[in-house]
Amino acid sequence: SAVISQKPSRDICQRGTSLTIQCQVDSQVTMMFWYRQQPGQSLTLIATANQGSEATYESGFVIDKFPISRPNLTFSTLTVSNMSPEDSSIYLCSVEDSRASQHFGDGTRLSIL
Amino acid sequence: ELKVEQNPLFLSMQEGKNYTIYCNYSTTSDRLYWYRQDPGKSLESLFVLLSNGAVKQEGRLMASLDTKARLSTLHITAAVHDLSATYFCAVDRDSGGSNYKLTFGKGTLLTVNP
Repeated sequence: SAVISQKPSRDICQRGTSLTIQCQVDSQVTMMFWYRQQPGQSLTLIATANQGSEATYESGFVIDKFPISRPNLTFSTLTVSNMSPEDSSIYLCSVEDSRASQHFGDGTRLSIL
Repeated sequence: ELKVEQNPLFLSMQEGKNYTIYCNYSTTSDRLYWYRQDPGKSLESLFVLLSNGAVKQEGRLMASLDTKARLSTLHITAAVHDLSATYFCAVDRDSGGSNYKLTFGKGTLLTVNP
């Protein structure tokens, strides 16, 4: 399965600031996905990122708050903008493989003070 | 809107016992996933079930899928402490398409006691 690297692994940020999370995959993939896992909760899909097109956002998530880039088939970034304590979560990127399985990166643990 | 319900949400087991975690979902789908998450870690893929009647086994875990009943089960046989973790099921809402958008259940926190 694909090896997925996320940076940073964790961060503590001040409210009102923005943080960009990077996701690097060791093979070319068509789609990359960004999920959020709030403390003690399950995972919620934020958006789907295809190379060369704008990301598709799920209900409740907007581009101004979570801008996403997908410049090539192995890389994507998610920015969490104008952060508030409610954005404290784990953010995970994932990719699908040829066997319809979906694999996750190690996640970025974000705390906002 | 696809809803995925897991039960139980909390499960405390004795070592050596058997138990089943259930995953019900509300709309048609042919792809169901089981993941394991250890505290502070990411998700580890356990099983991908792609058709009605699919059954997969790995060690003490066995997963099955009944698409007609919209039900998947994760059966634990002779539990050991190392199986303590949170287990998630997830369903692909695109059913047979190529978008792989997963809706997750709330997870089952499994604790195996000696």
